[in-house]
Amino acid sequence: GENVEQHPSTLSVQEGDSAVIKCTYSDSASNYFPWYKQELGKRPQLIIDIRSNVGEKKDQRIAVTLNKTAKHFSLHITETQPEDSAVYFCAASRDTGRRALTFGSGTRLQVQP
Amino acid sequence: SAVISQKPSRDICQRGTSLTIQCQVDSQVTMMFWYRQQPGQSLTLIATANQGSEATYESGFVIDKFPISRPNLTFSTLTVSNMSPEDSSIYLCSIGAVTDTQYFGPGTRLTVL
Repeated sequence: GENVEQHPSTLSVQEGDSAVIKCTYSDSASNYFPWYKQELGKRPQLIIDIRSNVGEKKDQRIAVTLNKTAKHFSLHITETQPEDSAVYFCAASRDTGRRALTFGSGTRLQVQP
Repeated sequence: SAVISQKPSRDICQRGTSLTIQCQVDSQVTMMFWYRQQPGQSLTLIATANQGSEATYESGFVIDKFPISRPNLTFSTLTVSNMSPEDSSIYLCSIGAVTDTQYFGPGTRLTVL
């Protein structure tokens, strides 16, 4: 089955700096890669996703890049703000909502004001 | 996106007892999934629940321990049977569709004493 590895496990940045979280996956058939943000005591919330026919996707301060050959994808957050502090999970799936997601281990991001 | 609710939001149970968690969606969805999130950990898929068929369980999860029902396209239940303290987790349902991504319910925080 799919295996998703995520690094780093914790990340501390100063407000205004950029943050990068990286994930690798093992199943070459995976074609959908969402990122979720989970604040303390709350449900995971989708923040951005990318499909395998796209190399990069941006949404304001958030971007995701995908390298299918190397089987890795990354989340980039620019101009970080204290409200970006949360746990971020990457995930992979073979077919968007049709199939269950395999999650990475999570990255705890702390943005220092 | 659809509105997902779960009941109960939290519970404290005695070992050896069972708890049934309900997941209700305000629209019909084909795919529903149940995940477990142990304290401080990532999300792990328990099973996929499709209406009209038996749930499909992931390795390490069995029907006798986590029976699932899916009586219609808007509702599912997960039962945690014969509970032990190791079952203390957050249990989340999620929904998926053919062209949509996955969204999570608010979760049920279970503590087993």
